[in-house]
Amino acid sequence: NAGVTQTPKFQVLKTGQSMTLQCAQDMNHEYMSWYRQDPGMGLRLIHYSVGAGITDQGEVPNGYNVSRSTTEDFPLRLLSAAPSQTSVYFCASSRDGTDNEQFFGPGTRLTVL
Amino acid sequence: AQTVTQSQPEMSVQEAETVTLSCTYDTSESDYYLFWYKQPPSRQMILVIRQEAYKQQNATENRFSVNFQKAAKSFSLKISDSQLGDAAMYFCAFFYNAGNMLTFGGGTRLMVKP
Repeated sequence: NAGVTQTPKFQVLKTGQSMTLQCAQDMNHEYMSWYRQDPGMGLRLIHYSVGAGITDQGEVPNGYNVSRSTTEDFPLRLLSAAPSQTSVYFCASSRDGTDNEQFFGPGTRLTVL
Repeated sequence: AQTVTQSQPEMSVQEAETVTLSCTYDTSESDYYLFWYKQPPSRQMILVIRQEAYKQQNATENRFSVNFQKAAKSFSLKISDSQLGDAAMYFCAFFYNAGNMLTFGGGTRLMVKP
């Protein structure tokens, strides 16, 4: 199993550009989530999904969209990038919303100029 | 809202010695889980240990153990026989089922001196 994979590993954007961060898992997990990690801080939840077709907002959802059309994939879209979105982004998955062991991807470092 | 506080931004320990990292949390929930995650320079998040709030016995995983004080809302991590590979950021995190999210503390950077 590859576990949780994220692409790209690094990305530089200009203010106003849009892009999609990809996340996939091959563990048949129902629950997937996106976090951001700013320098010197812990991770904060952006959006999560408890199954295909179901998404919900986390702590810091503004400026991001998600969708969950399949169990395996959970892309994160930045609609109009801003410098405040410069961060490291982590995708995570777990068996279901009550299974509390979350598996994390390797992260994507995003810089918005 | 749940909050997690790690009051030690940095800690240092001599190789082979023992170090304790502190974590306190605030919640009105009674059924929840607590975690310690390790983040080495590779930035991969690695689960170190977890504790179910309903269990009175403190969790242990090899050289890692916790001191869980539910009434005091305290959850410290003890690392015994510290190794150079233990050097990393350590994050305390809180989870409850209805919340559907992990809440992280700000992290403690652990340095291990040879």
